[in-house]
Amino acid sequence: DQQVKQNSPSLSVQEGRISILNCDYTNSMFDYFLWYKKYPAEGPTFLISISSIKDKNEDGRFTVFLNKSAKHLSLHIVPSQPGDSAVYFCACEAPGTYKYIFGTGTRLKVLA
Amino acid sequence: DAGVIQSPRHEVTEMGQEVTLRCKPISGHDYLFWYRQTMMRGLELLIYFNNNVPIDDSGMPEDRFSAKMPNASFSTLKIQPSEPRDSAVYFCASSFRTGGETQYFGPGTRLLVL
Repeated sequence: DQQVKQNSPSLSVQEGRISILNCDYTNSMFDYFLWYKKYPAEGPTFLISISSIKDKNEDGRFTVFLNKSAKHLSLHIVPSQPGDSAVYFCACEAPGTYKYIFGTGTRLKVLA
Repeated sequence: DAGVIQSPRHEVTEMGQEVTLRCKPISGHDYLFWYRQTMMRGLELLIYFNNNVPIDDSGMPEDRFSAKMPNASFSTLKIQPSEPRDSAVYFCASSFRTGGETQYFGPGTRLLVL
């Protein structure tokens, strides 16, 4: 049973537009949330994170939003660039465990 | 720092053979994680270590899988005997936990069991 779901396996966006990637989770005890980006033949790399005491965190073109009541996490990329084309994984951490539960990933393609 | 190092990068083997995957974490990191990536299940945590001690192996799929960390700079994940359904990309990650520290992933080992 997947505790963390990314229901869109793929997404295509025009360069310059906004990319919105979504993630839903089931465990209300998760208290730390992350997004990782993965290029082919490479390991995932950390992108941005947010703790459960916040509802928004920004880092340049990347913003993560957290809606705890809906158990929903989203990543906004504005403006999208061709170099953003990758697979994006969301991850959730249960308190005190140091374990990340990852979603299945969303493949983003930014069209030039 | 060279980052997390994994070897081999690719492994092709026949069903029933023993497979050993290797990982060198980032120096100074005291947590080490082994993950498996498949299309259907995404990234799954198999096991993680703290200061070379296994903390949680609840993600290890079967007794055919075992992992060791004999010292702070080396870990192995062994599959014996291997089966075609073990074909996946296996990642090692490490972190230095002071609270909120992220995990740094290696490039992965792509395993194909024929």
